[in-house]
Amino acid sequence: DTEVTQTPKHLVMGMTNKKSLKCEQHMGHRAMYWYKQKAKKPPELMFVYSYEKLSINESVPSRFSPECPNSSLLNLHLHALQPEDSALYLCASSQVGGDFGEKLFFGSGTQLSVL
Amino acid sequence: GENVEQHPSTLSVQEGDSAVIKCTYSDSASNYFPWYKQELGKRPQLIIDIRSNVGEKKDQRIAVTLNKTAKHFSLHITETQPEDSAVYFCAANLPGGGDKLIFGTGTRLQVFP
Repeated sequence: DTEVTQTPKHLVMGMTNKKSLKCEQHMGHRAMYWYKQKAKKPPELMFVYSYEKLSINESVPSRFSPECPNSSLLNLHLHALQPEDSALYLCASSQVGGDFGEKLFFGSGTQLSVL
Repeated sequence: GENVEQHPSTLSVQEGDSAVIKCTYSDSASNYFPWYKQELGKRPQLIIDIRSNVGEKKDQRIAVTLNKTAKHFSLHITETQPEDSAVYFCAANLPGGGDKLIFGTGTRLQVFP
């Protein structure tokens, strides 16, 4: 299995809602990531988990709350989002570090619209 | 921190022609340089990558070259086909920053039949 699976594919939420994005991989990868991608822009790193521990938080607002329940699952909890948070949210996974960077495998993303 | 510049932002070629996309990076400690292809509405997909211990890598019609001295790397696509049309992103890793990739701004490649 070489897939990173994300649900839901599309999400529309109001600014007062609470929702969660889910990501799953079964490639035995021990690093998992959340990226945010605006239209016509490159992916921007939000969070990195390494061995189920948060290793990088790119100064993301607290209305985004990541969670890594186990080595295969990654969640992103959303609360009180703003319209400017509308974007494609991509999950990715990789092996963890050797001497060089590791190949990143992306999920299909969740297209989020905040009204 | 690492900064990755990518050129051109758009590239139009005739089917069968070659396409070249260039990237420069700023941090000499970067040692891993992947290229991703993203079709409209789809996920970024790794198409080729290169590590700093080699200067060139080829996979069928796709090749990547790396010049560590000049801190630039390039993607070469030969015999382009309409299905090569997509946005291509280069990236460089940030050693010591965990598993962190810095992406270039992207190149929209259009291949006309």
